[in-house]
Amino acid sequence: GENVEQHPSTLSVQEGDSAVIKCTYSDSASNYFPWYKQELGKRPQLIIDIRSNVGEKKDQRIAVTLNKTAKHFSLHITETQPEDSAVYFCAATDSGYALNFGKGTSLLVTP
Amino acid sequence: NAGVTQTPKFQVLKTGQSMTLQCAQDMNHEYMSWYRQDPGMGLRLIHYSVGAGITDQGEVPNGYNVSRSTTEDFPLRLLSAAPSQTSVYFCASSYQGGTGNTIYFGEGSWLTVV
Repeated sequence: GENVEQHPSTLSVQEGDSAVIKCTYSDSASNYFPWYKQELGKRPQLIIDIRSNVGEKKDQRIAVTLNKTAKHFSLHITETQPEDSAVYFCAATDSGYALNFGKGTSLLVTP
Repeated sequence: NAGVTQTPKFQVLKTGQSMTLQCAQDMNHEYMSWYRQDPGMGLRLIHYSVGAGITDQGEVPNGYNVSRSTTEDFPLRLLSAAPSQTSVYFCASSYQGGTGNTIYFGEGSWLTVV
C-alpha cells in the first residue's frame, strides 16, 4: 500500500519567515495530494491540494509543488503569521476518497 | 447543509463494552470513511464505503465493524472495546471518486477505553 513520509515533525519559525514541509510517497498510482491544517481539538481542514497533472499550485500565502518523478510534494507558507501555528498533514491517494496521511508537522510561528 | 455529523463527541467505555459511533452526511456523497487519529501517527483509515451496501477495509480494521445501509449513514461499531482503541475518530465523506474531490471531515469523536 501507499506509504507517506512527512518531514520535519516539528518546525519553529519567526513571524514573517517562510515555512516548508516536505512529503514523499511510495505508490506511483497516487494522483491527488491534499494538505490539511489541524488546530488543537478540531477537525482537519483542507488548505490546498494538487493533482498529478499539475506541478505547482498557489493560493495567496500558501503553495504546493509536486515532483512526480521523485515522488515528493511540498507545502510552502510565506510571510508566516502566529495564526498559522497548527499541525499540518500531507496525504496521498489514488482513489480520491481513501487518504494515506503523513504523520504531521507541528508548526509554531513565534511573534 | 449540516455537512458530516458525528455522535457522540465524547465517550468513555470500559474494556469489553461495545458501542457505535454514528456518522451522517446530508450532501448525498457516495464515498464515506472512518479514520482514527493517535498522537504522532497522523490519521489512519479504518474502513470505507463507496456506496450503499458496499464496504471495505482500510489500514487498521481489526476490532471494528461497519455497514452502509443508506447513502447518508455510516456507523462504526466497536464490538469489544480495548484500551488500544482509545483514540479520536473522524468520519469523512466525498463525491464519487476521482482526482481532486474534496473530502469533508466530521468534528471528531473522542473515545477513551478504561
